[in-house]
Amino acid sequence: DAGVTQSPTHLIKTRGQQVTLRCSPKSGHDTVSWYQQALGQGPQFIFQYYEEEERQRGNFPDRFSGHQFPNYSSELNVNALLLGDSALYLCASSSTGVSGYTFGSGTRLTVV
Amino acid sequence: DQQVKQNSPSLSVQEGRISILNCDYTNSMFDYFLWYKKYPAEGPTFLISISSIKDKNEDGRFTVFLNKSAKHLSLHIVPSQPGDSAVYFCAARRPGGSYIPTFGRGTSLIVHP
Repeated sequence: DAGVTQSPTHLIKTRGQQVTLRCSPKSGHDTVSWYQQALGQGPQFIFQYYEEEERQRGNFPDRFSGHQFPNYSSELNVNALLLGDSALYLCASSSTGVSGYTFGSGTRLTVV
Repeated sequence: DQQVKQNSPSLSVQEGRISILNCDYTNSMFDYFLWYKKYPAEGPTFLISISSIKDKNEDGRFTVFLNKSAKHLSLHIVPSQPGDSAVYFCAARRPGGSYIPTFGRGTSLIVHP
């Protein structure tokens, strides 16, 4: 049983570019949450998707947007990349009404 | 505004001894607390949790203690093993249907053989 799958594992982008990160949730999970983990910090909540809609959002600018597809997979898009966007981006899936996340291994984004 | 604080960035312990990782929180609305463990190049994995109606929860070598009046929790690992070397994140959740935890910055535990 595959857990949460994220792609790509590593990515290097230039300032001002746009990036799309992808996440496939664990089988049976219908909710996807995205987190940003900067170096030396804990994971910071970006947003959560359920039923193809953004259900809740953390304190991140509109440059961060997302999408959830009918098969529950999700994308995180970041526009106009800044050096400060360099971080590990974690996807976590869960089932509605059930506590507990399953995290993916993350995508390491480096902005140069 | 750090609502969940892990003030020790690192902890070094000898194999077989007790490891104690501490966590403080500021939001009295939190009612559920979790510990996650993270190895390099992997995502965090759930370790143990505790509800605010309890003051202790034990699972094998891992015990979490909660002191609500002090807004403090701790994770005890006894005995510590080299495989426990990882970053440990404390997280806390408010009541509600979204189950979105707020994480601390983590404590890097190194267990020496």
